[in-house]
Amino acid sequence: GAVVSQHPSRVICKSGTSVKIECRSLDFQATTMFWYRQFPKQSLMLMATSNEGSKATYEQGVEKDKFLINHASLTLSTLTVTSAHPEDSSFYICSAWVGRGGRGYTFGSGTRLTVV
Amino acid sequence: LAKTTQPISMDSYEGQEVNITCSHNNIATNDYITWYQQFPSQGPRFIIQGYKTKVTNEVASLFIPADRKSSTLSLPRVSLSDTAVYYCLVVVNNAGNMLTFGGGTRLMVKP
Repeated sequence: GAVVSQHPSRVICKSGTSVKIECRSLDFQATTMFWYRQFPKQSLMLMATSNEGSKATYEQGVEKDKFLINHASLTLSTLTVTSAHPEDSSFYICSAWVGRGGRGYTFGSGTRLTVV
Repeated sequence: LAKTTQPISMDSYEGQEVNITCSHNNIATNDYITWYQQFPSQGPRFIIQGYKTKVTNEVASLFIPADRKSSTLSLPRVSLSDTAVYYCLVVVNNAGNMLTFGGGTRLMVKP
């Protein structure tokens, strides 16, 4: 149980276009979703925290107008990379808190974004 | 937030027991310790979580001393498929707050 489904797993887009990444909690309700970015050989860096029905909270240095986050329901959060540039190429991962039952957080399978 | 420190990398051989130690000197009273495994191009996967003493599940054991300033993840009889990056994390108040990832430990299991 407690699965977060993330799509797409891999996307290639042209510079200047926008890309949407979806994360769905399949068998639980995710009030809060966390979005991370991971560059090759590096650790996960938190980009933003999305809360259902309210504005996302962005980490310092993350452009909120470039990385649009929508968390319109308890089972869906989306990250849109707008006007993508090659430097936005990265591995994007979402995560949700499952609860105190010992399983903490569940992560999506990640999205490999390549901007050409 | 409690910062975690763990070795950058470790090597082991198939069939051996691997112990990865993490220090979290600033852990607070209500914080929990959790470990995740990550394979290349995949999201992290939960391994184990604990508060104190010892926790064991079907894949690993977690040892936490009384002062809770460190923890050790023990993987019994590793196989090649255990080659991955292992992250030690502090769960603040064991609540749904954000996780702060450190550098992780890159484990290489050799035949």
